[in-house]
Amino acid sequence: AQTVTQSQPEMSVQEAETVTLSCTYDTSESDYYLFWYKQPPSRQMILVIRQEAYKQQNATENRFSVNFQKAAKSFSLKISDSQLGDAAMYFCALTTQGGSEKLVFGKGMKLTVNP
Amino acid sequence: EPEVTQTPSHQVTQMGQEVILRCVPISNHLYFYWYRQILGQKVEFLVSFYNNEISEKSEIFDDQFSVERPDGSNFTLKIRSTKLEDSAMYFCARGGRGPYNEQFFGPGTRLTVL
Repeated sequence: AQTVTQSQPEMSVQEAETVTLSCTYDTSESDYYLFWYKQPPSRQMILVIRQEAYKQQNATENRFSVNFQKAAKSFSLKISDSQLGDAAMYFCALTTQGGSEKLVFGKGMKLTVNP
Repeated sequence: EPEVTQTPSHQVTQMGQEVILRCVPISNHLYFYWYRQILGQKVEFLVSFYNNEISEKSEIFDDQFSVERPDGSNFTLKIRSTKLEDSAMYFCARGGRGPYNEQFFGPGTRLTVL
């Protein structure tokens, strides 16, 4: 079974500053994918960034980047130059190769961006 | 443009009534998923649907739930006899077994059971 843990329920950051959201996971599979989803107040689930477990290079998408530490089973999200529109719930998620490839989510973390 | 649309956006029903939630993919995909998010809680997997068959279902997905793709396009989730605890956001997602195995979510249906 796969598990995803987000231990920080809430964080805040000043606009234009950098914030890091933490996530740890557990799986016995060797082939898996990790994701960060953003959920604004509209409650739409928006894919922010993805990482393949077999890739050592950390994924980046504009102001968003990850720090993937495979041995530690850690997958943190860094948001640079935070903007007011970044305020949302952020969910870390895991899926494994094969089977139904369902997503397993963490409990989420609420990010507040202060002007 | 959304990958998936869902209707209705909000459904209010009485306990014991049947509801049908609909998911319409923008383009033709083989993999679909339903997830549920009770207010303030994490997103939970309900069922996956591949090539018009259930490929996996969670323990939440009991006999009161069913999924269909009746016309080869719309993808429906039916709850036969709703309970108060079924009140939640229900998300449809499409996957394509692309290079990243990512899933793209619809906007969700908010179900309120009174």
